[in-house]
Amino acid sequence: AQSVTQLGSHVSVSEGALVLLRCNYSSSVPPYLFWYVQYPNQGLQLLLKYTSAATLVKGINGFEAEFKKSETSFHLTKPSAHMSDAAEYFCAVSDQGNDMRFGAGTRLTVKP
Amino acid sequence: NAGVTQTPKFRILKIGQSMTLQCTQDMNHNYMYWYRQDPGMGLKLIYYSVGAGITDKGEVPNGYNVSRSTTEDFPLRLELAAPSQTSVYFCGARQGGDTIYFGEGSWLTVV
Repeated sequence: AQSVTQLGSHVSVSEGALVLLRCNYSSSVPPYLFWYVQYPNQGLQLLLKYTSAATLVKGINGFEAEFKKSETSFHLTKPSAHMSDAAEYFCAVSDQGNDMRFGAGTRLTVKP
Repeated sequence: NAGVTQTPKFRILKIGQSMTLQCTQDMNHNYMYWYRQDPGMGLKLIYYSVGAGITDKGEVPNGYNVSRSTTEDFPLRLELAAPSQTSVYFCGARQGGDTIYFGEGSWLTVV
């Protein structure tokens, strides 16, 4: 079955600094990849998705991610962090089939 | 458009009790899912369904049961509640390879 590994359970950046959240996947077939964000006591909201079109995917709130097959990676970036970006972020993979598996999550803290 | 609706939002159960978490979607999506979320563990797939009458086990199905009699509804049943089932439960619906649209979650405590 497919799986994802998110490197770093906690990431802390200063406001205005680059945000980089790492995700590596494992899949036996070309995957669909997703990033979700979760604010405290809320459900999950889709940030962006890769479904075999352009490898650089732009999402909401200024986030983007690049699919790199050779590195089996789908890292999430944002050029300049904002205080409102503080949340937990989840990477997820689907093998174009039925189920979707999530990583353990990365909690992003933004310091003023 | 309500999307995915989960009830109840909060529930406290005693060990050994049973209950059903309800999930309803109005998007006519074929796929539905139940996940549980524990601190530091991300979301773990409990069960999923690719259409009415079809269900499959996910990563952590033990202690749970599901049914899918209609496209809209996908209830999750806990037969003999255990403290290990204290968690936040999320139901979701999906069409094809698109994203999963999640409900707001159900907070369950077993004491």
